[in-house]
Amino acid sequence: AQRVTQPEKLLSVFKGAPVELKCNYSYSGSPELFWYVQYSRQRLQLLLRHISRESIKGFTADLNKGETSFHLKKPFAQEEDSAMYYCALRYGGSQGNLIFGKGTKLSVKP
Amino acid sequence: DTEVTQTPKHLVMGMTNKKSLKCEQHMGHRAMYWYKQKAKKPPELMFVYSYEKLSINESVPSRFSPECPNSSLLNLHLHALQPEDSALYLCASSQDRRDWDNSPLHFGNGTRLTVT
Repeated sequence: AQRVTQPEKLLSVFKGAPVELKCNYSYSGSPELFWYVQYSRQRLQLLLRHISRESIKGFTADLNKGETSFHLKKPFAQEEDSAMYYCALRYGGSQGNLIFGKGTKLSVKP
Repeated sequence: DTEVTQTPKHLVMGMTNKKSLKCEQHMGHRAMYWYKQKAKKPPELMFVYSYEKLSINESVPSRFSPECPNSSLLNLHLHALQPEDSALYLCASSQDRRDWDNSPLHFGNGTRLTVT
């Protein structure tokens, strides 16, 4: 069955420190992976998708099919990065549903 | 307009009430979704409409009844809800569920529902 695992509920780092939010997935087909972010009192919004191979707000994520991972990284965390981050998997066939991991709350301290 | 708009922002209803949640987007998206999010949990898919037709119902109880009057609107009709249905209900849209490369979800701010 399809599954997204984010092992850390809370990740706390100091400003300027590197940050890595872990995401592992389980899916036998070709996955499409996303990171969504929810800042305090704001809507859930797309941060990254693996097919774009882009860097948004300094964040990058690389799909590693061998390790079935899609970890989110940023070399220097900022206080405004504090938010809830959800890794999501969209699986194929006629359904095209999106399932979310349980989320990691990132807290960046000054 | 690049937003998904949901009304109302907050709703308190009794278990015998009938109410509706509304969602609107004017991005030309042809897929619309209802998600339910309990506190400190990720969103869970409830329904998907694709080209105004219900394509996915994730075994949601019949006290939740979705409706898609046109390509820009999505409603969720509520009747005889239970206190455990209290949650944040999120609407989302995407360009086309069949267009994998260009279909990220755009979420609304949600309706905070409390059932008393």
